[in-house]
Amino acid sequence: NAGVMQNPRHLVRRRGQEARLRCSPVKGHSHVYWYRQLPEEGLKFMVYLQKENIIDESGMPKERFSAEFPKEGPSILRIQQVVRGDSAAYFCASSRGTSGRVTGELFFGEGSRLTVL
Amino acid sequence: GESVGLHLPTLSVQEGDNSIINCAYSNSASDYFIWYKQESGKGPQFIIDIRSNMDKRQGQRVTVLLNKTVKHLSLQIAATQPGDSAVYFCAEIPDSNYQLIWGAGTKLIIKP
Repeated sequence: NAGVMQNPRHLVRRRGQEARLRCSPVKGHSHVYWYRQLPEEGLKFMVYLQKENIIDESGMPKERFSAEFPKEGPSILRIQQVVRGDSAAYFCASSRGTSGRVTGELFFGEGSRLTVL
Repeated sequence: GESVGLHLPTLSVQEGDNSIINCAYSNSASDYFIWYKQESGKGPQFIIDIRSNMDKRQGQRVTVLLNKTVKHLSLQIAATQPGDSAVYFCAEIPDSNYQLIWGAGTKLIIKP
């Protein structure tokens, strides 16, 4: 998993609170993807970002969810007013992706597991 | 394009035997395929990939076969070891696209 760092690894929130998940991509990678995974299921695409730009957020709910990838610092996935249904593992992946095209050079972090009480 | 919520199919294999994990993909325009391994509590890890102009590709102890006629992909693991225990996902990427479309996954269990 070539250096994608996600934190926190585990996060517990009560309904209505905010959750912030951070992702530092592999050094030199400028493309970041966020995925959501429920137990025993595959990964569901949420959002694709390049530095300072959201390329595709079609998999992310329009309300309460936002993502950013600033020029400096990690990518942030923010969930406002969390509900129990937001409980899941959130994975970040990064690639060098000069053309934006995903290749096997897509590296995943270990995930952030959000539990909403 | 994302996987449907289902209980994962499970494949139990004796240690030392070969494992074959199958995947049906959905988009005939997909031209690139990747197999990922996900161990419990970890993120997906790249295993092997194949492009649509090939029908077979070999790695270390793993072979991927692609049958475009029936839109079928398989992953063969030779001499399965305890460390191979994981969930295996196939992913397809439609031409000129950046989104991975994930299969439902198969849980591989190794019997001692």
